[in-house]
Amino acid sequence: AIQMTQSPSSLSASVGDRVTITCRASQAIDNDLGWYQQKPGEAPNLLIYAASTLQSGVPSRFSGSGSGTDFTLTINSLQPEDFATYYCLQDYNFPWTFGQGTRVEVK
Amino acid sequence: EVQLVESGGGLVQPGGSLRLSCAASGFNFRGYDMHWVRQAPGKGLVWVSWIRSGGSGKTYADSVKDRLTISRDDAKNTLYLQMNSLTDEDSAIYYCARGGCSATSCLADWGQGILVTVSS
Repeated sequence: AIQMTQSPSSLSASVGDRVTITCRASQAIDNDLGWYQQKPGEAPNLLIYAASTLQSGVPSRFSGSGSGTDFTLTINSLQPEDFATYYCLQDYNFPWTFGQGTRVEVK
Repeated sequence: EVQLVESGGGLVQPGGSLRLSCAASGFNFRGYDMHWVRQAPGKGLVWVSWIRSGGSGKTYADSVKDRLTISRDDAKNTLYLQMNSLTDEDSAIYYCARGGCSATSCLADWGQGILVTVSS
């Protein structure tokens, strides 16, 4: 199975900050990667698919980049509602695998 | 509006069985791949299983292979997960999710989740 290594596992940030989360795949996965946001007590929510395509309705301060093995989720100008846990997911081949998650906390 | 509503969870003894259901509405259910994802308390997300639209293809995470079975009833717009030989490691919130993002894969919509607790 493809291993997804996500970093950092947690970070502290302030409203207005730019936040970057990375995900590295154990083998090349083209651009078959999604980013998901999960708030406490809620189901995950798709933010970005195909590494860089913003899901409909997701604010433009979220962006994704990367291809092959290295991927990045960037949140420009962090908003109060963005404090949450973020996961990457490779959908290149089965079994699909998630990163371990990055918790974005208030500084 | 896409809606996915899981049911069938609860407390079950180790070695027991449970069947989860996911009722879908607001989209053409038969035209979409579907997935199950789980999350143990305080832990990360784990992909569990996939079924192709039409039901001709299925696959599972290694940790659940031969114990969990995914199926669908397109006439009822419902996805299922039959869970057998349960252990405490299967205790988790189980989410059903709709696959598909344009011409590529993703988990586009999620249910609210259903809790399964395996304990004596």
